[in-house]
Amino acid sequence: SQQGEEDPQALSIQEGENATMNCSYKTSINNLQWYRQNSGRGLVHLILIRSNEREKHSGRLRVTLDTSKKSSSLLITASRAADTASYFCATRLLVGATNKLIFGTGTLLAVQP
Amino acid sequence: GAVVSQHPSWVICKSGTSVKIECRSLDFQATTMFWYRQFPKQSLMLMATSNEGSKATYEQGVEKDKFLINHASLTLSTLTVTSAHPEDSSFYICSARSPGLSEKLFFGSGTQLSVL
Repeated sequence: SQQGEEDPQALSIQEGENATMNCSYKTSINNLQWYRQNSGRGLVHLILIRSNEREKHSGRLRVTLDTSKKSSSLLITASRAADTASYFCATRLLVGATNKLIFGTGTLLAVQP
Repeated sequence: GAVVSQHPSWVICKSGTSVKIECRSLDFQATTMFWYRQFPKQSLMLMATSNEGSKATYEQGVEKDKFLINHASLTLSTLTVTSAHPEDSSFYICSARSPGLSEKLFFGSGTQLSVL
């Protein structure tokens, strides 16, 4: 399977704490992206990190990428109840002329108020 | 930002009937759209890549005669689940790339299909 693995599968924290999610993938990538999904909804793009980048920030989000270990992490600082959602990493594969995104298994984050 | 509209949001149908799901890019032209399937508390599984004006590219294990994809215009792709059975019950999500923001996907809100 091309699908990446994420851990933990589920994470429960208190509001104000930081949340860290990890993603491992199997193939060489062009970029890695993180998405958020609220229950029963579509996904929303959060942040993209390219294969030649090691760290990227966007607001309360911090993403790292280690291509040698084929892994990435997403850190959400000062979490809020509204951050409760599922988070997926996605890797861009280049197959022929069509670029596809393959999603990881996801982390369900619950932020308790 | 780019908006993708997906309809219906949910549908209940009888076994043996066909269901059509529409995916529209509202403010951009999408030459490529993607259809995913998601089971409860699981990840998204890519079903097929929909290409405007040509045949869809299906992932291994996805029956093309079962899941008909049509991408007749630059703003509309449809997924038809033919002769639906209870095992087809799932959450189906479409996505598209905006030409100017080609690295990331914009998702529809998904369709929950329940086959009785």
